[in-house]
Amino acid sequence: KQEVTQIPAALSVPEGENLVLNCSFTDSAIYNLQWFRQDPGKGLTSLLLIQSSQREQTSGRLNASLDKSSGRSTLYIAASQPGDSATYLCAGGVGTGTASKLTFGTGTRLQVTL
Amino acid sequence: EPEVTQTPSHQVTQMGQEVILRCVPISNHLYFYWYRQILGQKVEFLVSFYNNEISEKSEIFDDQFSVERPDGSNFTLKIRSTKLEDSAMYFCASRGTGSYEAFFGQGTRLTVV
Repeated sequence: KQEVTQIPAALSVPEGENLVLNCSFTDSAIYNLQWFRQDPGKGLTSLLLIQSSQREQTSGRLNASLDKSSGRSTLYIAASQPGDSATYLCAGGVGTGTASKLTFGTGTRLQVTL
Repeated sequence: EPEVTQTPSHQVTQMGQEVILRCVPISNHLYFYWYRQILGQKVEFLVSFYNNEISEKSEIFDDQFSVERPDGSNFTLKIRSTKLEDSAMYFCASRGTGSYEAFFGQGTRLTVV
């Protein structure tokens, strides 16, 4: 059974800092890894998807990497802004086709201070 | 930009009552999902749906739950005889055939009293 863990559980950084959020998964048979942002009481906004054949994806100030052999993914946020404050979730995609589903991590709650 | 839409945003129901949560997936998507998040806990998979039938369901998705795609646009989750422990945020998600990127709705917060 796939287990996904995120460290740290919470993080507070001053504006402008670069930061790294960590995600680890137990089953290397992961098919893809998706990072989401969740604002309090809100839905999940997809940030980046990394297919198992890829090692990283970039979108603006965000860069996500995937290392299946070590069971790890990282989300790098450059030049953090107060608007980046949210909970960040990683989710491992298991199964293919009609059997695909996401197993979510515990989340990292990020606060970017002025 | 296309998005997944869920209604209502918040529903309060009495224990034992039936509720229907509604979702309009992105129009050209063919894979549909329901997930739930109990307050303070992880987002959990409930069920996946493709070609008008359930592809996979979790242990949570017991006989009190059912899903339906009644027409070409809506995707519903029905919970019969709700229990207090059904209180959670329920998320609908969809994805297309060309990518495994899942898109989530804003969620329905279900409160069972």
